Amino acid sequence: KAGVTQTPRYLIKTRGQQVTLSCSPISGHRSVSWYQQTPGQGLQFLFEYFSETQRNKGNFPGRFSGRQFSNSRSEMNVSTLELGDSALYLCASKIGTGYGNTIYFGEGSWLTVV
Amino acid sequence: GESVGLHLPTLSVQEGDNSIINCAYSNSASDYFIWYKQESGKGPQFIIDIRSNMDKRQGQRVTVLLNKTVKHLSLQIAATQPGDSAVYFCAENRREGNEKLTFGTGTRLTIIP
Repeated sequence: KAGVTQTPRYLIKTRGQQVTLSCSPISGHRSVSWYQQTPGQGLQFLFEYFSETQRNKGNFPGRFSGRQFSNSRSEMNVSTLELGDSALYLCASKIGTGYGNTIYFGEGSWLTVV
Repeated sequence: GESVGLHLPTLSVQEGDNSIINCAYSNSASDYFIWYKQESGKGPQFIIDIRSNMDKRQGQRVTVLLNKTVKHLSLQIAATQPGDSAVYFCAENRREGNEKLTFGTGTRLTIIP
């Protein structure tokens, strides 16, 4: 069974540009969440989607957005990139809603903003 | 504020010895805890989890202990191997409708050959 797949793995963008990251959850998993990981702030929750609806959102500005498709695949978008957006963006999936379901992470997308 | 943290940022252990990584949490409403291992350049890998109605749970070479009285949990790795070198995170998940994971700051475990 394939794990959580994220694309692209590495990308470099210029300040002011926008970026879209993609995530395919584990087959059968309907909940997808996104996290940002930086050396200074650690792992921080961005948002969670289930059945194409955003269920929870972390404390990030509106430049960070996401969506989920009917096949559970998800994308996140960051507009007007800033240098501080350079980070590892991690997608995680779990089988359904509700706490206590094991959450599995992908390998992440490394974003560098220059 | 609420937090999940780790006691030590780094830990060095001789190969073959047992490792103990500690984590403290502040919110008594925390009821589900997970340990993740993250190797360089990779995403967090699930190791083991424990619910608040348990004190101990064992996996392959790993044991998690939960002490709700002092809000502390630990991850014990038996007979450490070079492949155990990684950053270990504890995370908590709360049954309050907000199902995000709150992560600790991580402990970097280095295995000395």
